[in-house]
Amino acid sequence: GAVVSQHPSWVICKSGTSVKIECRSLDFQATTMFWYRQFPKQSLMLMATSNEGSKATYEQGVEKDKFLINHASLTLSTLTVTSAHPEDSSFYICSAGTGGSNQPQHFGDGTRLSIL
Amino acid sequence: AQSVTQLGSHVSVSEGALVLLRCNYSSSVPPYLFWYVQYPNQGLQLLLKYTTGATLVKGINGFEAEFKKSETSFHLTKPSAHMSDAAEYFCAVREATDSWGKLQFGAGTQVVVTP
Repeated sequence: GAVVSQHPSWVICKSGTSVKIECRSLDFQATTMFWYRQFPKQSLMLMATSNEGSKATYEQGVEKDKFLINHASLTLSTLTVTSAHPEDSSFYICSAGTGGSNQPQHFGDGTRLSIL
Repeated sequence: AQSVTQLGSHVSVSEGALVLLRCNYSSSVPPYLFWYVQYPNQGLQLLLKYTTGATLVKGINGFEAEFKKSETSFHLTKPSAHMSDAAEYFCAVREATDSWGKLQFGAGTQVVVTP
């Protein structure tokens, strides 16, 4: 149980294009979803927290107009990297929680984004 | 504010030897504690968690961790390393009062298992 599917797993695109990453909870309803960015050999950096039906809360230093997050349902959240540039290349990981601070987050397998 | 410190960014162990990964935290309120494992190009998989109750927690793949409040530690151990244990391990803390359940991660420890 508690499976989170993230798609695509790998994307390469030209500079200036927008890229959408999907995060789905397959067998549970995710009250809250989280988006992380991970640089090589580093830990996860929380970008934003999203709750179903409300605006995402972004961490300090994360551009909300650059990284658009939509959490339209209890099973789907999307991250759109707008007008992507090479410095946006990274590993993006989503996670989903069922609510309750004592419950673990369940992670997707991540998306490797490469901007040429 | 809470923080997590993992001692040792890189640990090398022999197959069959004890695995010990150290994690210390600081938190203004009693936290919930987690260990996750990450294999290359994958997301994170939960190994175990401590919320309340017994301070020695058993997880998957033979791992266990002990919450020691006096030492503000939550070290991860496995009695006998297997080649498949080679991965990145992250300790994470969440404040019990955080209704959104945000996690604070440590920097991670890369485990290498040698034959």
